[in-house]
Amino acid sequence: EAEVAQSPRYKITEKSQAVAFWCDPISGHATLYWYRQILGQGPELLVQFQDESVVDDSQLPKDRFSAERLKGVDSTLKIQPAELGDSAMYLCASSLEAGGIYEQYFGPGTRLTVT
Amino acid sequence: AQSVTQLDSQVPVFEEAPVELRCNYSSSVSVYLFWYVQYPNQGLQLLLKYLSGSTLVKGINGFEAEFNKSQTSFHLRKPSVHISDTAEYFCAVTEPSNTGKLIFGQGTTLQVKP
Repeated sequence: EAEVAQSPRYKITEKSQAVAFWCDPISGHATLYWYRQILGQGPELLVQFQDESVVDDSQLPKDRFSAERLKGVDSTLKIQPAELGDSAMYLCASSLEAGGIYEQYFGPGTRLTVT
Repeated sequence: AQSVTQLDSQVPVFEEAPVELRCNYSSSVSVYLFWYVQYPNQGLQLLLKYLSGSTLVKGINGFEAEFNKSQTSFHLRKPSVHISDTAEYFCAVTEPSNTGKLIFGQGTTLQVKP
């Protein structure tokens, strides 16, 4: 069964350092999402791609966060510099649009701890 | 703007008892509704979804949910829970024209006790 892959699964970094997360969506899924999930809360969308184009990045803190999906397949989310408040689970999801319906499949997530 | 409220942050229940996890949403237009489950340190897995048609939808692992448009609710139910159902449950909403962006509730922790 095809799955969304994410790496690393866990990352500990010091504040002010740079950190990057990688996501490989299910093959053929044109839409890719990055969510941030703070402990005890629901996921919140950071950025959404349709192929290689950004569709929605309204909640992405652009002063320190960046995301790319250069070839419309895998994607990287970067934080520079990391802050203590960035500690969270970062989830990647992908979907295939069918009749206006986007059913999202989630990866296992990257748990980031900023010290 | 859309929002989702999960009315209970924690629901303790004994094994084999029935359970209901409550979800209310606000939206001025038609919506698609979803329930996801998250086990510790894992991603989200889709339990069930309401797109249109019958208001009672059945999902995996014996869960079902009922869409109530007049009460803007989408409560999740299971007639008999197992220890393995212990997890975090999230209700989510999206608008059909919204390219799939999901708005999630805060989550409900289901704690099944032996």
